[in-house]
Amino acid sequence: ELKVEQNPLFLSMQEGKNYTIYCNYSTTSDRLYWYRQDPGKSLESLFVLLSNGAVKQEGRLMASLDTKARLSTLHITAAVHDLSATYFCAVDTGNQFYFGTGTSLTVIP
Amino acid sequence: NAGVTQTPKFQVLKTGQSMTLQCAQDMNHEYMSWYRQDPGMGLRLIHYSVGAGITDQGEVPNGYNVSRSTTEDFPLRLLSAAPSQTSVYFCASSPRGANEQFFGPGTRLTVL
Repeated sequence: ELKVEQNPLFLSMQEGKNYTIYCNYSTTSDRLYWYRQDPGKSLESLFVLLSNGAVKQEGRLMASLDTKARLSTLHITAAVHDLSATYFCAVDTGNQFYFGTGTSLTVIP
Repeated sequence: NAGVTQTPKFQVLKTGQSMTLQCAQDMNHEYMSWYRQDPGMGLRLIHYSVGAGITDQGEVPNGYNVSRSTTEDFPLRLLSAAPSQTSVYFCASSPRGANEQFFGPGTRLTVL
């Protein structure tokens, strides 16, 4: 059974601080995605990582992929309140996508 | 482009009732999928389709049927609703090659 594990599940951080969310998966895949979900809303695509060593950055968020370690990270730099949301990683095994359980991020002043 | 649309937004059913959740996309995407989202469990794939006339089961297909007669539409049918199917349902689409998916706004379903 394929597993996608995120940690932490809940994260409360102060504005201006840095932190990293981890996504571990149990199958061979070189395609991983990060999504953001605001409360009561749909999912918004953040990053598409399609090869080992891929690194993408957008604003205060940076995502990376290590396919050998089966690990992706989402790094948050100098957090601001607007980043409060739930973040999901998802692994693509061909035609099926498997999502992590999500990391609920709250940024406090 | 409207993107991915879903109807209805909210639905309440009684146990044993049937209904169809509608999903449509206007981006000419070949791949479409249905997920359910339950608290603490992320999104789980129910069924997917790689093109018109082709569907396959995902991780949690029991109790659900799908069909794909056109590229644009991918309805999800609940033949006999059960309380365990209370969830938020998302439809998504992506171009061929299984790249990032574009999600619809979701349908919140409650089965009493």
